[in-house]
Amino acid sequence: AAGVIQSPRHLIKEKRETATLKCYPIPRHDTVYWYQQGPGQDPQFLISFYEKMQSDKGSIPDRFSAQQFSDYHSELNMSSLELGDSALYFCASSLGGPSYEQYFGPGTRLTVT
Amino acid sequence: AQTVTQSQPEMSVQEAETVTLSCTYDTSESDYYLFWYKQPPSRQMILVIRQEAYKQQNATENRFSVNFQKAAKSFSLKISDSQLGDAAMYFCAYRMEYGNKLVFGAGTILRVKS
Repeated sequence: AAGVIQSPRHLIKEKRETATLKCYPIPRHDTVYWYQQGPGQDPQFLISFYEKMQSDKGSIPDRFSAQQFSDYHSELNMSSLELGDSALYFCASSLGGPSYEQYFGPGTRLTVT
Repeated sequence: AQTVTQSQPEMSVQEAETVTLSCTYDTSESDYYLFWYKQPPSRQMILVIRQEAYKQQNATENRFSVNFQKAAKSFSLKISDSQLGDAAMYFCAYRMEYGNKLVFGAGTILRVKS
């Protein structure tokens, strides 16, 4: 079965640079979620989109922005990168509605040097 | 705000034996969902099992089962006939009935000894 696709899988950036992470949900899934998992930590919710509209917002820094496009893929844009942004960034997708599970992608490992 | 607590940072089990991972949560909601996710060394997050709060029957998925105690706000995961492939970090997670975000516990590292 098709899974959530994230690209790139690994990304190395320097401080103050910009990064763009992409997420392609499971076909027919209309909801996308972004999570950040720091080293040795549990995943923290950043933001979610349902039918191309922001549906919820968590602890996402103002330096980050995200959107969901007409084909339901999503991009997380991160500017003025800081060392503390180094983490594993997960995208998850669901079919929408409260009773559907979130299926996670493999994650993008971002390293800021 | 909802919180999820996993009080066991690390657990060990002998292959073929049974192990139980603990999870407690705090919420004022009456309807919600609870999940266990597995994160192996590959770091992929894999859904193991889910429980709807309105269901009294404990969820079961093959060798994985939960003990859901709503009044006590407890949600433990039992792994029977443990296998080497079960070795991973296990996260307990909570989601409001109509919420979007998953709230995770700190995780429990499960080691399986052969």
